[in-house]
Amino acid sequence: KAGVTQTPRYLIKTRGQQVTLSCSPISGHRSVSWYQQTPGQGLQFLFEYFSETQRNKGNFPGRFSGRQFSNSRSEMNVSTLELGDSALYLCASSLERVQETQYFGPGTRLLVL
Amino acid sequence: QKEVEQDPGPLSVPEGAIVSLNCTYSNSAFQYFMWYRQYSRKGPELLMYTYSSGNKEDGRFTAQVDKSSKYISLFIRDSQPSDSATYLCAMEGQGNLIFGKGTKLSVKP
Repeated sequence: KAGVTQTPRYLIKTRGQQVTLSCSPISGHRSVSWYQQTPGQGLQFLFEYFSETQRNKGNFPGRFSGRQFSNSRSEMNVSTLELGDSALYLCASSLERVQETQYFGPGTRLLVL
Repeated sequence: QKEVEQDPGPLSVPEGAIVSLNCTYSNSAFQYFMWYRQYSRKGPELLMYTYSSGNKEDGRFTAQVDKSSKYISLFIRDSQPSDSATYLCAMEGQGNLIFGKGTKLSVKP
């Protein structure tokens, strides 16, 4: 069974631009969560999608948004990029709930200049 | 006080040693407790998953949860160089996972 895939793997943007990251969950998984990982703050929850609906949201500004498609694939968007948005963005999928086994993708490393 | 506290290390041990990794937390509502392992430039990988208090063993790994003390542990027996990674504890709270910052472990041959 294929794992969680994320594209692109690396991205360089400049301040003020916007970016869209993509995540394909494991086949059959309906819950997709997004996380931001930085050396200073560690792994922080962004949001979770289930059946095309945002079910939970972390404490991030509205510049961070996401969506989920009917095939469970998910995208996250960051608008008006700031230097502090440089991070590893991780996507994780599980069958139904975050309490279940979550499988992480390799992440997208975003650098904002 | 942060919700989840984890000593960042780094922790360096010789091959074959018993490793003890720990996290403390403040929210008594947490029910699900996990340990993830993350190798450099990779996503986290679930190692252990525990519901409520008690012990769980899987091969060389043992997870312990003490809800009365708000303290969780991961023990690694007969540690191997391949165990060198960052270990993150995580807890489920209000529908999302809250992670510790991770402990970097190095097992020397």
